Amino acid sequence: KAGVTQTPRYLIKTRGQQVTLSCSPISGHRSVSWYQQTPGQGLQFLFEYFSETQRNKGNFPGRFSGRQFSNSRSEMNVSTLELGDSALYLCASRPTGVNSPLHFGNGTRLTVT
Amino acid sequence: DQQVKQNSPSLSVQEGRISILNCDYTNSMFDYFLWYKKYPAEGPTFLISISSIKDKNEDGRFTVFLNKSAKHLSLHIVPSQPGDSAVYFCAASSISSGSARQLTFGSGTQLTVLP
Repeated sequence: KAGVTQTPRYLIKTRGQQVTLSCSPISGHRSVSWYQQTPGQGLQFLFEYFSETQRNKGNFPGRFSGRQFSNSRSEMNVSTLELGDSALYLCASRPTGVNSPLHFGNGTRLTVT
Repeated sequence: DQQVKQNSPSLSVQEGRISILNCDYTNSMFDYFLWYKKYPAEGPTFLISISSIKDKNEDGRFTVFLNKSAKHLSLHIVPSQPGDSAVYFCAASSISSGSARQLTFGSGTQLTVLP
């Protein structure tokens, strides 16, 4: 079974631009979550989608948004990029089951200059 | 306010010895805890979990201990191997609205196992 796939792996943008990151979950997984990882901060929860609906949202500004498509693939968008948005963005999917663990992709490394 | 804390950013141990990674939490609503391992340029991979109704869970060389009264959990790796060198993240969760589980992660501990 293929794992969680994130594209692109690396991205360089300038301040003020916007960016869209893509995530394909493991086949059969309907839940997709997004996390931001910055040095020393661990993984910060952005949002979770299930069956095309946002189920949970973390404490991030409205510049961060996402969506999920009917095939469970998900996209994350960040508008008006700031230098502090430079981070590793991780997508994770999980199967149905309240205690099922997250399966992470390898992330998209975003650098904002 | 960090609800999950890993106070040791790094830990070095000799191959064959025990590695003990620690994690503290503040939210008493957390009822499920997990450990993830992360190698550079890869996403975190699930290692082991424990429910709050237990105080210990074992899986091969990995054992997680939970002390609910102290709001503390630890991961023991015995014996440690060089391939265990990675960043270890502690995570905690509770059932949020809609029966969805949201994970709260610690900041990670870099484990280095010396040959």
